[in-house]
Order: sequence, then structure tokens, then C-alpha cells
Amino acid sequence: DAGVTQSPTHLIKTRGQQVTLRCSPKSGHDTVSWYQQALGQGPQFIFQYYEEEERQRGNFPDRFSGHQFPNYSSELNVNALLLGDSALYLCASSFLGNEAFFGQGTRLTVV
Amino acid sequence: AQTVTQSQPEMSVQEAETVTLSCTYDTSENNYYLFWYKQPPSRQMILVIRQEAYKQQNATENRFSVNFQKAAKSFSLKISDSQLGDTAMYFCAFNNDMRFGAGTRLTVKP
Repeated sequence: DAGVTQSPTHLIKTRGQQVTLRCSPKSGHDTVSWYQQALGQGPQFIFQYYEEEERQRGNFPDRFSGHQFPNYSSELNVNALLLGDSALYLCASSFLGNEAFFGQGTRLTVV
Repeated sequence: AQTVTQSQPEMSVQEAETVTLSCTYDTSENNYYLFWYKQPPSRQMILVIRQEAYKQQNATENRFSVNFQKAAKSFSLKISDSQLGDTAMYFCAFNNDMRFGAGTRLTVKP
């Protein structure tokens, strides 16, 4: 089992651009959550997907959107990138409310 | 709103000694889960221990144990016989959507 995998591992984008981050959950997991972790801070909950629908959402603007596919993999899209969007983006998968398993994250740098 | 507070930004402990990390939370729910996660410099978040609120018995995983005080909404992590590999950021998290605290940076000194 490869665990939770995220791609890419690093990414550099320019202000105003759009970015898509990808996550494959751990085998057997059906729920995917996304987090933004700024340097030196705790992860901030962006949203959670279950059965291809957004089930919960944190305090993030509509520029942040996502999708879950029938195979439970997920994408995080961020439009109109701002410098402040630079962070580590973490994906976590879980099943039936059990503990979440995290990927290595995608380091996004907006310049 | 559910909030998680970790009041110790940084802590250090000598190898082989015991250290306790604090966490408090606020919720109106009666049934929930609490977690401690470890994030080493390699940055991958790893589950340390989990506690179900309906269980009165404190969870234990080898050298890691919790002191769960439901009425006080407190959930501290005790690390016994600290090892150099325990050096990491430790995050307390609440429930399935993982509301995280700001973290405690723990350094284990040789």
C-alpha cells in the first residue's frame, strides 16, 4: 500500500495564475481532506470530500475549490493565486471517521 | 465553532525524561475524537495517539499516553523515556475534520 500520495511535491506559480494539486488516498479510504499549512503554523482545514461531494468547508474563499473522483482521488484547485497562498498543502484520507493518514504535501510557492 | 488551543509554542526535554504537551479545546458536541499528530522535519504528519470522547480510559500507545479530562476539555500528551527521534512539531487535532492547534515544537536533547 503506497499510502496517501500527493503530486507534485513542489510547485512555483506566478500571482494570478491557477494551480491544481492532486491526491490519491490510502487504499480503502473514501474521505479526503485538504489543509493549508503556512510556515511555522498548524494546518488549516480547507475542505473535505466524501462520495464526490464537498461535505465540510473551512474558512477559505471560493478561489479554493476541489473535486473528488469515483476512485476517491481528489484535486484541489486554487484560482487567482496570491502571494499569501504560498504554503504546504496537505491531503489526508480516512475511512468512517477513523484517523486520517497524511501525504507528504505539496509545497506551493507563489511569486 | 470548534477551536483547539496549544499554549506551549516550544518545549524541550532531556533524552530519557518525560514531557507533557498541553491541549485544550472548545466544543458543544458530546461525542467526538481527539488526536495527537507528530510532524518531523520530513514534514509528513504521523498519528501518535487517538482518544474517543465516550471512553473514560485514557489512551496509551507504548511511550505515549494521554490525560483526557472531558469536563475540562483538556487533552494532554505525555511522552515517557523521550528519544531523539521524538523531536518534531506536535499537533493536537479535533474530530474528523481535523481542527488543528497551532502546534508545539518539541526538542529532545541528548
